[in-house]
Amino acid sequence: AQKVTQAQTEISVVEKEDVTLDCVYETRDTTYYLFWYKQPPSGELVFLIRRNSFDEQNEISGRYSWNFQKSTSSFNFTITASQVVDSAVYFCALSGGDNYGQNFVFGPGTRLSVLP
Amino acid sequence: GAGVSQTPSNKVTEKGKYVELRCDPISGHTALYWYRQSLGQGPEFLIYFQGTGAADDSGLPNDRFFAVRPEGSVSTLKIQRTERGDSAVYLCASSFRGTYNEQFFGPGTRLTVL
Repeated sequence: AQKVTQAQTEISVVEKEDVTLDCVYETRDTTYYLFWYKQPPSGELVFLIRRNSFDEQNEISGRYSWNFQKSTSSFNFTITASQVVDSAVYFCALSGGDNYGQNFVFGPGTRLSVLP
Repeated sequence: GAGVSQTPSNKVTEKGKYVELRCDPISGHTALYWYRQSLGQGPEFLIYFQGTGAADDSGLPNDRFFAVRPEGSVSTLKIQRTERGDSAVYLCASSFRGTYNEQFFGPGTRLTVL
């Protein structure tokens, strides 16, 4: 069975601080995909990034960066110089690829509050 | 272009009643997903369609829940004999092909069972 753990339930930071959201996953699939989604107060989930299990390169997109480490089964997300608009619930998700498109699971989410 | 739409946005029903929730995916997306999200939790997978067929319905909690996608576009989630524990936000998402692709989510239907 697949599982995603986000140990941090809630995080509060002051604007301009850096913050890292942790994600640890479990899967028996050799091919899998990892995702991060953002759910702002308005409610609609928004895709942020996708990573496949064969690509361990870290990625940076503006103030966002992601650190994928297969050795520790982690896919952490860092926001640099956080802003109030970053306040949202962030979900890490896992899709198993060995059985074409099955077993999609979300983590419980981390609520990030960025205070002005 | 238009995103994923869901109707109704809110549904209040009484325990024991039947409800239907509708999802209109992005045109051209062959994959469609239903999730249930309770307050303070992550989306819980219910069912995944690839075209007209359910590729994975392992998340449906029991036989009161059923979903269809007869023409490979619009999908309806059907809940029979609703219970108070069914109260949640039901989310629909679509993606181009399989679950290895980015999913686009709708705004959800908030179901309240009294």
